[in-house]
Amino acid sequence: QQQVKQSPQSLIVQKGGIPIINCAYENTAFDYFPWYQQFPGKGPALLIAIRPDVSEKKEGRFTISFNKSAKQFSLHIMDSQPGDSATYFCAASSWRSSASKIIFGSGTRLSIRP
Amino acid sequence: KAGVTQTPRYLIKTRGQQVTLSCSPISGHRSVSWYQQTPGQGLQFLFEYFSETQRNKGNFPGRFSGRQFSNSRSEMNVSTLELGDSALYLCASSLGSGSANEQFFGPGTRLTVL
Repeated sequence: QQQVKQSPQSLIVQKGGIPIINCAYENTAFDYFPWYQQFPGKGPALLIAIRPDVSEKKEGRFTISFNKSAKQFSLHIMDSQPGDSATYFCAASSWRSSASKIIFGSGTRLSIRP
Repeated sequence: KAGVTQTPRYLIKTRGQQVTLSCSPISGHRSVSWYQQTPGQGLQFLFEYFSETQRNKGNFPGRFSGRQFSNSRSEMNVSTLELGDSALYLCASSLGSGSANEQFFGPGTRLTVL
């Protein structure tokens, strides 16, 4: 019940395309859903996060869509660029819990072809 | 403001040895968390320290331990190393301990156990 299932494991998209990464959770106590971006040789960095009181959040070219009834959320990257090539992790936690009690998805290795 | 720093960046040890990894959080951050990242298991939470006290602990054996100093710097120690301990060890710092506090990750220490 603590798992966050992420798919696909890897994704190759042409420049300008819209990669979509999906995540699903089971624990209904989760109420904070961040996405992290990790480049080779670097630690993960917070990209965008959403709470279940909204169904969509946009920050620049990155959009999170959230479906509370299905317990699913996804990341869309508009007008993708080669510089977006990285590993993306979804995550979930409870707002009231410690920042460290975040459950991470298994990651998606995204490659944007020029 | 300097980011989270971790030393050393790379480490090679043999089975049975012990290792100490160091993490310096962002100035002013009082919470430090440690994660183990492997291709097979993804990002797994090890433990969290806040104001020199361990607040949370993940499901790792007692060979994994840590501490935090009064200046918020943290160390983690792994004793009796096993081959399966080969991983990227990430440290993250945040202002406080609640999940409302964004975690900032360091670049990690790549540990290889031979």
